[in-house]
Amino acid sequence: SQKIEQNSEALNIQEGKTATLTCNYTNYSPAYLQWYRQDPGRGPVFLLLIRENEKEKRKERLKVTFDTTLKQSLFHITASQPADSATYLCASARSGNTPLVFGKGTRLSVIA
Amino acid sequence: DSGVTQTPKHLITATGQRVTLRCSPRSGDLSVYWYQQSLDQGLQFLIHYYNGEERAKGNILERFSAQQFPDLHSELNLSSLELGDSALYFCASHRDYSNYGYTFGSGTRLTVV
Repeated sequence: SQKIEQNSEALNIQEGKTATLTCNYTNYSPAYLQWYRQDPGRGPVFLLLIRENEKEKRKERLKVTFDTTLKQSLFHITASQPADSATYLCASARSGNTPLVFGKGTRLSVIA
Repeated sequence: DSGVTQTPKHLITATGQRVTLRCSPRSGDLSVYWYQQSLDQGLQFLIHYYNGEERAKGNILERFSAQQFPDLHSELNLSSLELGDSALYFCASHRDYSNYGYTFGSGTRLTVV
C-alpha cells in the first residue's frame, strides 16, 4: 500500500532562516504531491501542488521540489517568521481520481 | 471561512451511542472526502463521495457509514461508539482536475466518554 512519511515530527528554527521539511514516499509513484498547513484545532489549508513531471514550484516565500529518483519532496520556507509556526502536512495520490494519503506532519516552530 | 461547513463543531457523547456529522461542500465542488485525525495516527482517509455516489473507501469501520445527498451535502454516521473513536473528523471538498488541493472544513471534535 502507498506509504508517505515525514521524517521529522518537529523542527525548530530561528526567525529569518530557511526551514526545510522532508517528505518521502514508498511503494508507488504519485501523480502529484501536495503540501498543507494546519494550525491547532483547525482544518488543513492547501499551500502548493507539484506534479510528477515538475521539478520545482514556487509561491511567494514557499518552494516545493519533487525528486522521483529519490522518491522525495522538499518543502522550503524562506525568511521564516514566527507566524509560519504550524504543522505542515505532505500528501499524495496515485492519480487525480484517488484520495489523498497524508503524512503525519512536521511541527515547525520559528523562534524570534 | 474555507467555504466548507461542518456541524457540529464539538460533540460529547457516551459509549454505545450514535452520532451524525454533517458537511456542506464548497459551492461547485462535487467531491466530498471524510478524514479522521487522532494524535497518534494523523489524518486517515475514511470515505469519498462524488456527486452522490461512493467512489472509494479507506480505513472506515463497519460501525461507520456515510452518504451524499442530491444537494451534495454529506453526513457521516458513527454508531456503537467506543472511547477510541474520539478524534477530530474533517470533511474536505474538491473540484476535480484542478490545480488546487482539497478545501477542508474546520472539523468536528468528537469526544466519547
